Amino acid sequence: DAGVIQSPRHEVTEMGQEVTLRCKPISGHDYLFWYRQTMMRGLELLIYFNNNVPIDDSGMPEDRFSAKMPNASFSTLKIQPSEPRDSAVYFCASSLSGEPTDTQYFGPGTRLTVL
Amino acid sequence: GNSVTQMEGPVTLSEEAFLTINCTYTATGYPSLFWYVQYPGEGLQLLLKATKADDKGSNKGFEATYRKETTSFHLEKGSVQVSDSAVYFCALSDLADSWGKLQFGAGTQVVVTP
Repeated sequence: DAGVIQSPRHEVTEMGQEVTLRCKPISGHDYLFWYRQTMMRGLELLIYFNNNVPIDDSGMPEDRFSAKMPNASFSTLKIQPSEPRDSAVYFCASSLSGEPTDTQYFGPGTRLTVL
Repeated sequence: GNSVTQMEGPVTLSEEAFLTINCTYTATGYPSLFWYVQYPGEGLQLLLKATKADDKGSNKGFEATYRKETTSFHLEKGSVQVSDSAVYFCALSDLADSWGKLQFGAGTQVVVTP
């Protein structure tokens, strides 16, 4: 398997623009997670899906952030409008189940810079 | 709620030195414990895990033992290589708190010099 695929790997945009990050989980994995990593706050879970349904979005910072999973092989994280404080590395991860013992597999991340 | 505390970095070592990264946790229930590693420019990947007390996880020469009595999961490697330079994250997952979501420590950067 190719692992978790994310695109783009790097994104530079201007404040106020819409940004869409994309993720393809590992085939057969029922759980998908979006994380944000910054120096100040470390790794934060933004939202997770089970069988394409959003289960917990309590980590989404504000209404400017939205995430969708229209099918089992694709998810998006959208920021509209973007702000400089959204600059971070965004990771997508997937796991076979939601069991506490299960391993999460991370994608390579999207480095977002908002000018 | 649950939390994970790990030693601050950076930790700088010479090749073949012994590495220890301390990790302690607080948990409501009976968590599973993990070490993830992040190499430069990459995503996190699982290094090892342990799911019950006294379990020892091991991989690539790294080891960590689940110590319930001291609520610790310290990572060790007997002889590090330059290729071990990375950021190491201790994490836990506990069904009794927050549906078992993975909670990470702040990460410890390790730099191994030739």
